[in-house]
Amino acid sequence: DIQMTQSPSSLSASVGDRVTITCRASQSISSYLSWFQQKPGKPPKLLIYAASTLQSGVPSRFSGSGSGTDFTLTISSLQPEDFATYYCQQSYSTVTFGPGTKVDIK
Amino acid sequence: EVQLVESGGGLVQPGGSLRLSCAASGFPFSSYWMHWVRQAPGKGLVWVSRINSDGSSTSYADSVKGRFTISRDNAKNTLYLQMNSLRAEDTAVYYCARWSHSSGYYYLDYWGQGTLVTVSS
Repeated sequence: DIQMTQSPSSLSASVGDRVTITCRASQSISSYLSWFQQKPGKPPKLLIYAASTLQSGVPSRFSGSGSGTDFTLTISSLQPEDFATYYCQQSYSTVTFGPGTKVDIK
Repeated sequence: EVQLVESGGGLVQPGGSLRLSCAASGFPFSSYWMHWVRQAPGKGLVWVSRINSDGSSTSYADSVKGRFTISRDNAKNTLYLQMNSLRAEDTAVYYCARWSHSSGYYYLDYWGQGTLVTVSS
């Protein structure tokens, strides 16, 4: 089974900050990587798929990069509505999620 | 508008059974693979199961294999998860999600609001 790790597990940031979250797969997954945002009590929301393709309607301050085993999600200028937990997920072999990164207010 | 609405959750004793439903609308349900994903209270997302578009192929996480059964009724636009021999560790919000694809890449693009399953005596 493919294992996913994320770092950091949590971070504190201010509005306007540039935020980067890293996701690593236990084996190569090409670009079969998605990123989700989840707020408390809500379902996950797809932000990015195929490692770098922005889902329709998602603000352009979100971007994704990487291939193989190492991936990043970047929020170029953090907005108040971006405080949430972010998950990566591989779809190379069935489905596996990373453990999540909680982004909260500094 | 794509909508996925789960139902069937509730409180059940260990060893008991529940059947979850996910009613789909706003898209050609019979053309899409579907998944169940769960989230224990305060924890992360865990994939549970998936089914292909005509129901002929299924897959399960090891933690639920042999206890849970995913199925679908394309005439009723509904996805199901039959959960038997429930354990305390199955306590979670259960989400159904649509599996889409573009240019060879697959992703979970629409999710329901979830239904809470609590396994406790």
